[in-house]
Amino acid sequence: QQPVQSPQAVILREGEDAVINCSSSKALYSVHWYRQKHGEAPVFLMILLKGGEQKGHEKISASFNEKKQQSSLYLTASQLSYSGTYFCGPDSNYQLIWGAGTKLIIKP
Amino acid sequence: GAGVSQSPSNKVTEKGKDVELRCDPISGHTALYWYRQSLGQGLEFLIYFQGNSAPDKSGLPSDRFSAERTGGSVSTLTIQRTQQEDSAVYLCASQGMGAKNIQYFGAGTRLSVL
Repeated sequence: QQPVQSPQAVILREGEDAVINCSSSKALYSVHWYRQKHGEAPVFLMILLKGGEQKGHEKISASFNEKKQQSSLYLTASQLSYSGTYFCGPDSNYQLIWGAGTKLIIKP
Repeated sequence: GAGVSQSPSNKVTEKGKDVELRCDPISGHTALYWYRQSLGQGLEFLIYFQGNSAPDKSGLPSDRFSAERTGGSVSTLTIQRTQQEDSAVYLCASQGMGAKNIQYFGAGTRLSVL
């Protein structure tokens, strides 16, 4: 039931782009994305609701395809501050079921 | 308070001892979650409180784990007879009504069982 995130880890040079994917086997009401920096608590980035809408935060955007039960997070022109682990949390009821996370490392 | 507060921030205990971890949610938030995060791993759901409803305890790994939420606010997670595999960061999150399940996390309690 846990959503599948891919890739598990990615290393980028500052300024490069990345895509993180999240797939669920269950029907979704919404998808949440959080970022956790090393040694810190997860912080909410954005929520995507049904309707295929895209959201943006800084130069980070995301899409949600409820038919395919998938969401993707797009990081454009990555900055050092984007480093951390990104978790998707598909909402299939009242509760988020968290993915295992994608570790993003940005090198100068 | 301004955010979710957890205490202690670090706890070192001996195998077999009981520990209590505390979570002060954001004032007015009706929902409260406990998660466990082992090193380099994702978030493992433990228990969920919503208002006055019976808690969802489906994630508790054993009967050594229990949690209470008093007065719909402060929550305490208790681990009895701790084992080394209980070592992890325990995160608490709270959520407001009609907030589309957006969760606000505390900084966590790092538990080390020797």
